[in-house]
Amino acid sequence: DVKVTQSSRYLVKRTGEKVFLECVQDMDHENMFWYRQDPGLGLRLIYFSYDVKMKEKGDIPEGYSVSREKKERFSLILESASTNQTSMYLCASSSRGAGYYHEQYFGPGTRLTVT
Amino acid sequence: EDKVVQSPLSLVVHEGDTVTLNCSYEVTNFRSLLWYKQEKKAPTFLFMLTSSGIEKKSGRLSSILDKKELFSILNITATQTGDSAIYLCAVVQGAQKLVFGQGTRLTINP
Repeated sequence: DVKVTQSSRYLVKRTGEKVFLECVQDMDHENMFWYRQDPGLGLRLIYFSYDVKMKEKGDIPEGYSVSREKKERFSLILESASTNQTSMYLCASSSRGAGYYHEQYFGPGTRLTVT
Repeated sequence: EDKVVQSPLSLVVHEGDTVTLNCSYEVTNFRSLLWYKQEKKAPTFLFMLTSSGIEKKSGRLSSILDKKELFSILNITATQTGDSAIYLCAVVQGAQKLVFGQGTRLTINP
């Protein structure tokens, strides 16, 4: 059974703080994703990674960076948190197939509040 | 610009009612369309639709895709309070990228 875990369910940070959100998957998946979810906007892709040390920008990468030093772990970094980054953050992982879609498995989410 | 639009954004019905959730899309390099259910945790996968006109069914839930008119519907019959959730529609673009709609928040009152 695939398991994707995120380091915190709830997080409160102050404006300007550096914030790390961690995601770990236990299924040896090549692909990992970070989304944010906001009411009325759905899930939007921030960054994804298809291999260790590889990363690609998604639709809304501004204000975020990522790190993938190990296959099972994908970190989202907010260099200087701002109030407009208050959101639910969801991590997902999937295996990499031969050009066809492989199901993404989601973690439980981290609700980040920046005050 | 790629977009996926769900309607309604919010729906409140009574237990036992039948509901239809809509998802329309304009996405380049369309591969397939997915439906997810999200309660207070991770989204869980419901259906993947790739071909037009073929209904996918799981218990009281069913879904169909129309690739000519670029939409999909998700039907839930004989709704129960446990069906209360956010229902997400997403289009698979290329090999791995998902483009999500806004979600429909469904509330089932007893």
